[in-house]
Amino acid sequence: EVQLVESGGGLVQPGRSLRLSCAASGFTFDDYAMHWVRQAPGKGLEWVSGISWNSGSTGYADSVKGRFTISRDNVKNSLYLQMNSLRAEDTALYYCAKAGFSGGAFDIWGQGTMVTVSS
Amino acid sequence: EIVLTQSPATLSLSPGERATLSCRASQSVSSYLTWYQQKPGQAPRLLIYDASNRATGIPARFSGSGSGTDFTLTISSLEPEDFAVYYCQQRSNWLFTFGGGTKVEIK
Repeated sequence: EVQLVESGGGLVQPGRSLRLSCAASGFTFDDYAMHWVRQAPGKGLEWVSGISWNSGSTGYADSVKGRFTISRDNVKNSLYLQMNSLRAEDTALYYCAKAGFSGGAFDIWGQGTMVTVSS
Repeated sequence: EIVLTQSPATLSLSPGERATLSCRASQSVSSYLTWYQQKPGQAPRLLIYDASNRATGIPARFSGSGSGTDFTLTISSLEPEDFAVYYCQQRSNWLFTFGGGTKVEIK
């Protein structure tokens, strides 16, 4: 079964750091680009960051550029998001998503991990 | 940054009716336009990729069209399980954006 399982969310104070993880199974992880997408409570979807299959290319939303870093470990079939200098507006459910062969669409999603930034 | 504008924000229809959802891009995205469905408490589900290709397992009542800046998702005859929020999304090199969503609700 193709599956993505996120972990690492929680309550964190403004200005602190958090590292999210996404464990992939059921597909050849190093064949595909991977992404993080977030959704603030009651709001729409926001793309956060993406990384190519070999980590050669990455992208970030302007809202997180310079604060968040995406990475992957193709041996461990895992995706990561290092989040520094967290702000209240980073509070959201963070989804890990797999890109399909076309590259532009996300065909498999995890169930998400909640990040709450509050003092 | 390419901005995607979805309309209407809310669509009130009855089961069996046709739903037409619009997504407009602030500049051309060629055919790199994707549609997702999201139900409360669930992760998004891929419906349509590259503007008009149905994803695996998606019923034929869902269809996508358009290119450049104007795109449409059509649900030919609404089933009870189709009432949800729909998002469009584009990719431009390594920058991706989502539209604000259209909620299809039961009239």
